[in-house]
Amino acid sequence: QSVLTQPPSVSAAPGQKVTISCSGSSSNIGNNYVSWYQQLPGTAPKLLIYDNNKRPSGIPDRFSGSKSGTSATLGITGLQTGDEADYYCGTWDSSLSAPVFGGGTKLTVL
Amino acid sequence: QVQLVESGGGVVQPGRSLRLSCAASGFTFSSYGMHWVRQAPGKGLEWVAVISYDGSNKYYADSVKGRFTISRDNSKNTLYLQMNSLRAEDTAVYYCAKDLRIAGINDAFDIWGQGTMVTVSS
Repeated sequence: QSVLTQPPSVSAAPGQKVTISCSGSSSNIGNNYVSWYQQLPGTAPKLLIYDNNKRPSGIPDRFSGSKSGTSATLGITGLQTGDEADYYCGTWDSSLSAPVFGGGTKLTVL
Repeated sequence: QVQLVESGGGVVQPGRSLRLSCAASGFTFSSYGMHWVRQAPGKGLEWVAVISYDGSNKYYADSVKGRFTISRDNSKNTLYLQMNSLRAEDTAVYYCAKDLRIAGINDAFDIWGQGTMVTVSS
């Protein structure tokens, strides 16, 4: 059981928008920055969003992040088939003194 | 370019040991905290351990505490994970990952290696 809760799967059509939620608590999301990772099939995870809503260089602005209280959300607009991947949220847990991840969400672009 | 390359994975019997290495290049390795993260087949990401930029602080997941040891050699730009008393549940792809900020250990992981597979089986 993951410390952070994500939906197992989401789906949407090409060109559409999708959001992926990540729920935690005051010891993690509530008081720490959230990051998001994309893992394409057979590859290593890649940082998409850090500090709740910042994008590393090279990440298109179709990807966005937000945080409110003890929850965070990843948004992807203009969906492409190449966006099909597993998406993970992550943050620091102050009670555990450790990084924690969500269980991952599989995005299907229909 | 900024790169992390893991090595040392393989098939090992339960109870035996294995040491993973992660060679870093393209950034000032000695300035950043470094992590090991693993992923069991078909499962999600699980953080394993972190070491501070100078090696003075180390933290471990409860699942590996007392069995795994993280270390680094800043003169060789290399991170290590010594894994002892291996169990079947340690079977996973092991990734090394760089912490986002200088001297940090609790930030995002901005650079990941390609991973090395560890299989614990008799």
